[in-house]
Amino acid sequence: ETGVTQTPRHLVMGMTNKKSLKCEQHLGHNAMYWYKQSAKKPLELMFVYSLEERVENNSVPSRFSPECPNSSHLFLHLHTLQPEDSALYLCASSQDGQVGYEQYFGPGTRLTVT
Amino acid sequence: AQKVTQAQTEISVVEKEDVTLDCVYETRDTTYYLFWYKQPPSGELVFLIRRNSFDEQNEISGRYSWNFQKSTSSFNFTITASQVVDSAVYFCALRSWNFNKFYFGSGTKLNVKP
Repeated sequence: ETGVTQTPRHLVMGMTNKKSLKCEQHLGHNAMYWYKQSAKKPLELMFVYSLEERVENNSVPSRFSPECPNSSHLFLHLHTLQPEDSALYLCASSQDGQVGYEQYFGPGTRLTVT
Repeated sequence: AQKVTQAQTEISVVEKEDVTLDCVYETRDTTYYLFWYKQPPSGELVFLIRRNSFDEQNEISGRYSWNFQKSTSSFNFTITASQVVDSAVYFCALRSWNFNKFYFGSGTKLNVKP
């Protein structure tokens, strides 16, 4: 595997379900990010982890819960979601400490909440 | 405040035409970084270029070229002799030197018709 991978690629869940999105980066980076991309809206930064510590939580509802067990893995745990949470969820990584470096993105998980 | 504006929501051109995608940014930082990403229909954002605020030299990579003008806070992207495979949403982004946050524009959807 190379780059940034995300699983699953598509997810349909009911509002009472609990599910998790997984992201893995194979680039040796030390910062990871979750973004939400809704139709006709800009990319919304949700969470940032740097050196496995959460450094940014962009006023995200508590029904989204991130977890970063190590520098290569990032999870987004979902529970009691709303239909408006349907979106493309993108994971990204970058090398923190080397300022200016770009983010590399995974292919995203297309989430539909019914 | 940091902000990136891509005023062109959608552009349609015919194959082989040249097209310029505009990006205007706002920042109070003296050191910052600008990026362009391409998002094809598959969903994954692909990194295209990084530029730091000290380097105003324009860059050309094949059919792609970028024009960075600090005086007008713009970082425009030109595709020469466009091809159908260039059809995608293009995002401009800004990163300050000491933060993990990337500020994305709302994207410009480029349609290249055969």
